[in-house]
Amino acid sequence: SQTIHQWPATLVQPVGSPLSLECTVEGTSNPNLYWYRQAAGRGLQLLFYSVGIGQISSEVPQNLSASRPQDRQFILSSKKLLLSDSGFYLCAWSGGRSYGYTFGSGTRLTVV
Amino acid sequence: QKEVEQDPGPLSVPEGAIVSLNCTYSNSAFQYFMWYRQYSRKGPELLMYTYSSGNKEDGRFTAQVDKSSKYISLFIRDSQPSDSATYLCAMRRNYGQNFVFGPGTRLSVLP
Repeated sequence: SQTIHQWPATLVQPVGSPLSLECTVEGTSNPNLYWYRQAAGRGLQLLFYSVGIGQISSEVPQNLSASRPQDRQFILSSKKLLLSDSGFYLCAWSGGRSYGYTFGSGTRLTVV
Repeated sequence: QKEVEQDPGPLSVPEGAIVSLNCTYSNSAFQYFMWYRQYSRKGPELLMYTYSSGNKEDGRFTAQVDKSSKYISLFIRDSQPSDSATYLCAMRRNYGQNFVFGPGTRLSVLP
């Protein structure tokens, strides 16, 4: 069966520090991968998606970047965090016989 | 106007009540509709998936799509405290395109 792993679960980082969040998927090949940010009361905001290794589409201009170095690995990064980067970050995958997206357990990022 | 709208709640109901959760949307091209349930501090999990108009039932849950009104609903029968969560609707035009999510409705089922 397919599983998605996302870590860390919580993170507190100072303003100006770098960020790296990692997501991996098991049990499927060539998945579509997504990074979302969820702010309280504002729903899910799509940040990046990828349909293959090295292929990244950005939905909103911002302080973040994404990379897909391997087929089932998706990384969200920042060189210098801003206070406004705080939020709940979710990785998701789709593909194969799945109808929708399967989400990871999320990372709660607080920038202080 | 937002592409997908939901009443944010919170919606509080007593245990055993029938719950109706709703989304409206503006893009008449949407054909694929989903409902997700999200517990606090967890990722959303898929509850129901429907294509085009009509109803779909799964246990205590019924998803309803009315494309003519651009309105979808999720009904929960015999609601339980374990149903307390945020419910997100999502939709897209074609298979392979990205889903657009509603902001979610927070539901509390009181024992």
